[in-house]
Amino acid sequence: ILNVEQSPQSLHVQEGDSTNFTCSFPSSNFYALHWYRWETAKSPEALFVMTLNGDEKKKGRISATLNTKEGYSYLYIKGSQPEDSATYLCAMNSGGYQKVTFGTGTKLQVIP
Amino acid sequence: KAGVTQTPRYLIKTRGQQVTLSCSPISGHRSVSWYQQTPGQGLQFLFEYFSETQRNKGNFPGRFSGRQFSNSRSEMNVSTLELGDSALYLCASSFSGTVGSPLHFGNGTRLTVT
Repeated sequence: ILNVEQSPQSLHVQEGDSTNFTCSFPSSNFYALHWYRWETAKSPEALFVMTLNGDEKKKGRISATLNTKEGYSYLYIKGSQPEDSATYLCAMNSGGYQKVTFGTGTKLQVIP
Repeated sequence: KAGVTQTPRYLIKTRGQQVTLSCSPISGHRSVSWYQQTPGQGLQFLFEYFSETQRNKGNFPGRFSGRQFSNSRSEMNVSTLELGDSALYLCASSFSGTVGSPLHFGNGTRLTVT
């Protein structure tokens, strides 16, 4: 059974604080690592997909890094805003095509 | 460009019945995958279709089945419903379905089994 684990499970930060969360995954049979943002009453939205060890991606105030050798990825949010409040999911392709295994997510609440 | 459309949004069924959920992918997307989310669980992969062929299947019983049509629309069927099938069912499409393609999700169908 493939386990993708995320920590922490939930997080409260003050507006303006920077924060980060972790996604751990088995480093064997790795193909790609995805990050999604899932706001309440909306559908999950893709943030990043990374495939290479050492990959770093950035989208506005959000960035992510990937270490496939040790099996982890970090998601960083700089200067958190209330609109960043959401559940952040990471997921891993461990085989071909789109069989993707998701973690249970980190729920972020940004307090104004 | 229209997003991924799932119908219906909500369904209430009783144990033993069967249900069919529908998913229309983004125009031009040929890969459609289905996920189940229950409280406390992450999204659990059900299956993936590409060009009308099932390419991957998750660890769900045979009561869960699906198909994809030539226009890439997909349906998921659950027969002999059980209380534990109550969940949010999400479908996602991607352009090529290759590893590294981001998934584009619909808003989901909330199924309640009583």
